[in-house]
Amino acid sequence: NAGVMQNPRHLVRRRGQEARLRCSPMKGHSHVYWYRQLPEEGLKFMVYLQKENIIDESGMPKERFSAEFPKEGPSILRIQQVVRGDSAAYFCASSEDRDNEQFFGPGTRLTVL
Amino acid sequence: AQKVTQAQTEISVVEKEDVTLDCVYETRDTTYYLFWYKQPPSGELVFLIRRNSFDEQNEISGRYSWNFQKSTSSFNFTITASQVVDSAVYFCALSDTSGGYQKVTFGIGTKLQVIP
Repeated sequence: NAGVMQNPRHLVRRRGQEARLRCSPMKGHSHVYWYRQLPEEGLKFMVYLQKENIIDESGMPKERFSAEFPKEGPSILRIQQVVRGDSAAYFCASSEDRDNEQFFGPGTRLTVL
Repeated sequence: AQKVTQAQTEISVVEKEDVTLDCVYETRDTTYYLFWYKQPPSGELVFLIRRNSFDEQNEISGRYSWNFQKSTSSFNFTITASQVVDSAVYFCALSDTSGGYQKVTFGIGTKLQVIP
């Protein structure tokens, strides 16, 4: 049973471009969580999604950031018009149910030039 | 609200020394989970332990041990006979259902450097 998969592992974008980060949850998991780790900081919760629904987006910046978890396919974290301050590691986690343990992916390191 | 405090931002020890990483947490829930993760220089998160709030038994796994004290809301992590490969950032985390689901809050991490 493969773990949580994230791709790409490293992503470089220029200011103003769009970044798309993908997360494939563990098999049988329908709950996905995104976290951001700014340089020299801990992980901060961004958004919690269940298939086709956003449950809690209280940690998402109000502009330029969006997330989805369609019925088919991976969850996508989308950052429009990236700025240097978006440079961070973005971790995805998944769980079988809302009360179950979260398993973390390897992260995507976004660098904005 | 959930809060996890790791007061030590950086620790340096000489190889073979023992080192304890402190973690203090806050939660209003009576049922919660505590975690420790290791983040080596490569950047991925390595799961070390998960502890249920009802289980206060200390745990030992090889050179690693954890001391859970509910009375002081602490969940400290000790590495015995440290090795250079232990050099990493260590995160303590708390998960409770205050948000209606298992919401995880991380501390800011303790950077451990083991000097040969």
